[in-house]
Amino acid sequence: GAVVSQHPSRVICKSGTSVKIECRSLDFQATTMFWYRQFPKQSLMLMATSNEGSKATYEQGVEKDKFLINHASLTLSTLTVTSAHPEDSSFYICSAGRHGQPQHFGDGTRLSIL
Amino acid sequence: EDKVVQSPLSLVVHEGDTVTLNCSYEVTNFRSLLWYKQEKKAPTFLFMLTSSGIEKKSGRLSSILDKKELFSILNITATQTGDSAVYLCAVGIQGAQKLVFGQGTRLTINP
Repeated sequence: GAVVSQHPSRVICKSGTSVKIECRSLDFQATTMFWYRQFPKQSLMLMATSNEGSKATYEQGVEKDKFLINHASLTLSTLTVTSAHPEDSSFYICSAGRHGQPQHFGDGTRLSIL
Repeated sequence: EDKVVQSPLSLVVHEGDTVTLNCSYEVTNFRSLLWYKQEKKAPTFLFMLTSSGIEKKSGRLSSILDKKELFSILNITATQTGDSAVYLCAVGIQGAQKLVFGQGTRLTINP
């Protein structure tokens, strides 16, 4: 079945640090990937849609300069949380899927900003 | 605004019981409804439904969609402790590949 790999799984860093999270589709080409954020005991909230070769589409209220998305190839999208602060601490999950097929999720990245 | 509502938000039952989880939606251009199971990490795919009245089954789990009533249910029979998880319902929108998620139902199966 489809496999999506996300790395790293856990990040702990100081306030002001920029953090890069990678999302790879391992056995299929994904023209579109999605980035979600999940707070404890809450559902997934879509942050942005990552489009290969073009700019990402951000959901309302998500700062594009804060959460930089790059989709350089058909198998890799990256999310960079720039100058992270404690309020950015959260669980970040990516997903990918072929058109008409269900999205499959990476294992998520738990980000803790001290 | 597209909306997906799940109920109950939390459910605690004993091993062996049967449970029914509910998902209702209001979206502008429905494409599909998906069920996911989330344990400690990211959600794992269970079912994708696009047509009304056709039940999908996988072992003890089954799901069905009613596009007239804008509703889906997920049934789990003979529950086991390994079924304990958050079950997420999501709706796919026509013309956009994104999913709109419900709040999830936290299911706890006690031995």
